[in-house]
Amino acid sequence: RKEVEQDPGPFNVPEGATVAFNCTYSNSASQSFFWYRQDCRKEPKLLMSVYSSGNEDGRFTAQLNRASQYISLLIRDSKLSDSATYLCVVNGEGPDTGRRALTFGSGTRLQVQP
Amino acid sequence: DTAVSQTPKYLVTQMGNDKSIKCEQNLGHDTMYWYKQDSKKFLKIMFSYNNKELIINETVPNRFSPKSPDKAHLNLHINSLELGDSAVYFCASSQEIYRDPYEQYFGPGTRLTVT
Repeated sequence: RKEVEQDPGPFNVPEGATVAFNCTYSNSASQSFFWYRQDCRKEPKLLMSVYSSGNEDGRFTAQLNRASQYISLLIRDSKLSDSATYLCVVNGEGPDTGRRALTFGSGTRLQVQP
Repeated sequence: DTAVSQTPKYLVTQMGNDKSIKCEQNLGHDTMYWYKQDSKKFLKIMFSYNNKELIINETVPNRFSPKSPDKAHLNLHINSLELGDSAVYFCASSQEIYRDPYEQYFGPGTRLTVT
Protein backbone atom coordinates (compact mmCIF):
# COMPACT_ATOMS: atom_id res chain seq x y z
CA ARG A 1 0.00 0.00 0.00
CA LYS A 2 1.32 3.45 -0.88
CA GLU A 3 2.03 5.73 2.10
CA VAL A 4 -0.10 8.50 0.64
CA GLU A 5 -2.79 7.78 -1.93
CA GLN A 6 -4.71 10.19 -4.09
CA ASP A 7 -7.05 9.91 -7.04
CA PRO A 8 -4.90 11.15 -9.95
CA GLY A 9 -7.89 12.69 -11.74
CA PRO A 10 -8.06 14.74 -13.85
CA PHE A 11 -10.98 16.59 -12.37
CA ASN A 12 -12.47 18.77 -15.08
CA VAL A 13 -14.80 21.37 -13.60
CA PRO A 14 -16.38 24.60 -14.87
CA GLU A 15 -15.43 27.95 -13.39
CA GLY A 16 -17.37 28.65 -10.22
CA ALA A 17 -17.78 24.99 -9.31
CA THR A 18 -16.94 23.46 -5.96
CA VAL A 19 -14.53 20.55 -6.09
CA ALA A 20 -13.22 18.24 -3.37
CA PHE A 21 -10.13 16.04 -3.26
CA ASN A 22 -9.47 13.26 -0.81
CA CYS A 23 -6.27 11.62 0.24
CA THR A 24 -5.54 8.64 2.51
CA TYR A 25 -2.35 7.94 4.41
CA SER A 26 -1.05 4.74 5.93
CA ASN A 27 1.15 5.91 8.81
CA SER A 28 -1.09 6.40 11.83
CA ALA A 29 1.80 8.12 13.64
CA SER A 30 1.88 11.00 11.16
CA GLN A 31 1.56 14.36 12.87
CA SER A 32 1.87 16.96 10.13
CA PHE A 33 -0.32 17.31 7.08
CA PHE A 34 -0.18 19.66 4.14
CA TRP A 35 -1.60 20.40 0.74
CA TYR A 36 0.90 21.55 -1.88
CA ARG A 37 0.13 22.86 -5.32
CA GLN A 38 2.27 22.10 -8.36
CA ASP A 39 1.78 23.89 -11.65
CA CYS A 40 2.85 22.20 -14.88
CA ARG A 41 6.65 22.03 -15.11
CA LYS A 42 7.06 24.04 -11.91
CA GLU A 43 8.08 23.29 -8.36
CA PRO A 44 5.60 22.34 -5.61
CA LYS A 45 4.50 25.18 -3.36
CA LEU A 46 2.73 25.01 -0.02
CA LEU A 47 -0.98 25.73 -0.34
CA MET A 48 -1.97 25.19 3.27
CA SER A 49 -1.26 23.16 6.36
CA VAL A 50 -4.04 20.90 7.64
CA TYR A 51 -5.01 21.08 11.29
CA SER A 52 -7.03 18.60 13.30
CA SER A 53 -9.92 21.00 13.75
CA GLY A 54 -10.05 21.79 10.04
CA ASN A 55 -8.99 25.11 8.62
CA GLU A 56 -9.99 27.53 5.95
CA ASP A 57 -8.02 29.95 3.80
CA GLY A 58 -10.26 31.98 1.54
CA ARG A 59 -11.90 29.61 -0.93
CA PHE A 60 -9.89 26.64 0.33
CA THR A 61 -10.93 24.39 3.23
CA ALA A 62 -8.85 21.50 4.54
CA GLN A 63 -10.11 18.74 6.81
CA LEU A 64 -8.34 15.95 8.64
CA ASN A 65 -9.94 12.72 9.85
CA ARG A 66 -7.37 10.91 11.98
CA ALA A 67 -9.61 7.93 12.73
CA SER A 68 -10.04 7.17 9.04
CA GLN A 69 -6.60 8.53 8.09
CA TYR A 70 -7.81 10.78 5.37
CA ILE A 71 -7.38 14.40 4.45
CA SER A 72 -9.59 16.48 2.21
CA LEU A 73 -9.30 19.73 0.32
CA LEU A 74 -12.37 21.66 -0.79
CA ILE A 75 -12.10 24.46 -3.33
CA ARG A 76 -15.11 26.73 -3.68
CA ASP A 77 -15.86 29.03 -6.61
CA SER A 78 -13.10 27.53 -8.77
CA LYS A 79 -11.03 29.92 -10.86
CA LEU A 80 -9.13 29.19 -14.05
CA SER A 81 -5.95 29.90 -12.09
CA ASP A 82 -6.73 27.00 -9.74
CA SER A 83 -5.81 24.58 -12.55
CA ALA A 84 -2.84 22.64 -11.20
CA THR A 85 -1.90 19.38 -9.50
CA TYR A 86 -2.68 19.23 -5.80
CA LEU A 87 -0.31 17.13 -3.70
CA CYS A 88 -1.31 15.63 -0.38
CA VAL A 89 1.67 15.54 1.98
CA VAL A 90 2.18 13.92 5.38
CA ASN A 91 5.21 13.48 7.55
CA GLY A 92 6.34 9.88 7.66
CA GLU A 93 9.20 7.79 8.87
CA GLY A 94 12.56 8.19 7.29
CA PRO A 95 15.24 5.61 8.05
CA ASP A 96 16.17 5.01 11.68
CA THR A 97 17.66 8.37 12.44
CA GLY A 98 14.63 9.48 14.43
CA ARG A 99 14.04 12.20 11.88
CA ARG A 100 10.86 12.27 9.89
CA ALA A 101 10.47 13.30 6.28
CA LEU A 102 7.59 14.54 4.24
CA THR A 103 5.91 11.94 2.04
CA PHE A 104 4.15 13.24 -1.04
CA GLY A 105 1.15 11.74 -2.78
CA SER A 106 1.31 11.55 -6.55
CA GLY A 107 -1.17 14.39 -6.84
CA THR A 108 -4.65 15.08 -8.18
CA ARG A 109 -4.85 17.10 -11.35
CA LEU A 110 -7.50 19.82 -11.54
CA GLN A 111 -8.50 21.50 -14.78
CA VAL A 112 -10.91 24.41 -14.42
CA GLN A 113 -12.64 25.22 -17.68
CA PRO A 114 -14.19 28.51 -18.80
CA ASP B 1 15.85 37.26 -4.63
CA THR B 2 15.34 33.58 -5.36
CA ALA B 3 14.90 31.64 -2.13
CA VAL B 4 16.07 28.24 -3.40
CA SER B 5 18.02 28.14 -6.64
CA GLN B 6 19.29 25.22 -8.67
CA THR B 7 21.64 24.95 -11.59
CA PRO B 8 21.41 23.86 -14.28
CA LYS B 9 17.70 24.00 -15.10
CA TYR B 10 18.09 21.50 -17.95
CA LEU B 11 20.72 18.82 -18.32
CA VAL B 12 20.97 16.49 -21.31
CA THR B 13 23.77 13.96 -21.20
CA GLN B 14 24.74 10.50 -22.35
CA MET B 15 24.74 7.27 -20.42
CA GLY B 16 27.88 6.67 -18.45
CA ASN B 17 28.69 10.34 -17.89
CA ASP B 18 29.13 11.97 -14.48
CA LYS B 19 27.22 15.17 -13.71
CA SER B 20 26.50 17.51 -10.82
CA ILE B 21 23.52 19.65 -9.87
CA LYS B 22 23.99 22.58 -7.51
CA CYS B 23 21.54 24.00 -5.00
CA GLU B 24 21.66 27.08 -2.82
CA GLN B 25 19.16 28.56 -0.38
CA ASN B 26 19.22 32.05 1.12
CA LEU B 27 16.46 31.47 3.67
CA GLY B 28 18.75 30.64 6.57
CA HIS B 29 17.19 27.18 6.87
CA ASP B 30 19.00 24.36 8.65
CA THR B 31 17.74 21.50 6.52
CA MET B 32 18.03 20.82 2.81
CA TYR B 33 16.70 17.99 0.67
CA TRP B 34 16.96 16.35 -2.70
CA TYR B 35 13.85 14.88 -4.30
CA LYS B 36 13.36 12.96 -7.54
CA GLN B 37 10.13 13.34 -9.53
CA ASP B 38 9.76 10.65 -12.16
CA SER B 39 7.53 10.48 -15.21
CA LYS B 40 4.64 9.25 -13.04
CA LYS B 41 4.97 12.48 -11.03
CA PHE B 42 5.86 10.77 -7.75
CA LEU B 43 8.00 13.11 -5.68
CA LYS B 44 10.33 10.91 -3.67
CA ILE B 45 12.88 12.02 -1.13
CA MET B 46 16.46 10.98 -1.79
CA PHE B 47 18.57 12.77 0.82
CA SER B 48 18.26 15.25 3.63
CA TYR B 49 20.99 17.26 5.33
CA ASN B 50 20.69 19.16 8.59
CA ASN B 51 23.49 21.63 9.28
CA LYS B 52 25.78 19.85 6.81
CA GLU B 53 25.05 16.46 8.40
CA LEU B 54 23.40 13.69 6.36
CA ILE B 55 20.22 12.70 8.19
CA ILE B 56 18.14 10.91 5.59
CA ASN B 57 19.52 8.64 2.92
CA GLU B 58 16.73 6.75 1.25
CA THR B 59 17.31 3.71 -0.92
CA VAL B 60 19.22 5.41 -3.68
CA PRO B 61 22.02 3.86 -5.76
CA ASN B 62 25.42 4.83 -4.44
CA ARG B 63 26.10 6.45 -7.80
CA PHE B 64 24.28 9.40 -6.23
CA SER B 65 26.36 11.35 -3.74
CA PRO B 66 25.19 14.51 -2.01
CA LYS B 67 27.69 17.05 -0.74
CA SER B 68 26.98 19.94 1.60
CA PRO B 69 29.89 22.37 1.87
CA ASP B 70 27.84 24.60 4.21
CA LYS B 71 24.27 24.75 5.38
CA ALA B 72 23.20 26.99 2.51
CA HIS B 73 24.38 24.60 -0.20
CA LEU B 74 23.55 21.02 -1.10
CA ASN B 75 24.94 19.62 -4.32
CA LEU B 76 24.11 16.32 -5.97
CA HIS B 77 26.72 14.40 -7.92
CA ILE B 78 25.70 11.47 -10.10
CA ASN B 79 28.21 8.98 -11.46
CA SER B 80 27.76 6.64 -14.43
CA LEU B 81 24.39 8.03 -15.46
CA GLU B 82 21.73 5.54 -16.57
CA LEU B 83 18.60 5.95 -18.67
CA GLY B 84 16.45 5.45 -15.56
CA ASP B 85 18.00 8.49 -13.93
CA SER B 86 16.03 10.72 -16.31
CA ALA B 87 13.68 12.73 -14.11
CA VAL B 88 13.21 16.14 -12.55
CA TYR B 89 15.37 16.67 -9.47
CA PHE B 90 14.15 19.18 -6.91
CA CYS B 91 16.14 20.71 -4.13
CA ALA B 92 14.23 22.01 -1.10
CA SER B 93 14.91 23.56 2.27
CA SER B 94 13.03 23.93 5.53
CA GLN B 95 13.39 24.83 9.14
CA GLU B 96 12.85 21.82 11.37
CA ILE B 97 10.67 22.29 14.39
CA TYR B 98 11.02 19.70 17.14
CA ARG B 99 12.72 17.35 14.67
CA ASP B 100 9.73 17.54 12.34
CA PRO B 101 10.08 18.95 8.84
CA TYR B 102 7.97 22.02 8.42
CA GLU B 103 7.04 23.95 5.29
CA GLN B 104 9.47 23.13 2.53
CA TYR B 105 10.54 25.60 -0.11
CA PHE B 106 11.47 24.05 -3.42
CA GLY B 107 13.90 25.09 -6.08
CA PRO B 108 12.71 25.31 -9.70
CA GLY B 109 13.94 21.80 -10.51
CA THR B 110 16.57 20.36 -12.82
CA ARG B 111 15.21 18.35 -15.73
CA LEU B 112 17.77 15.61 -16.40
CA THR B 113 17.56 13.64 -19.64
CA VAL B 114 19.94 10.74 -20.14
CA THR B 115 20.26 9.50 -23.71
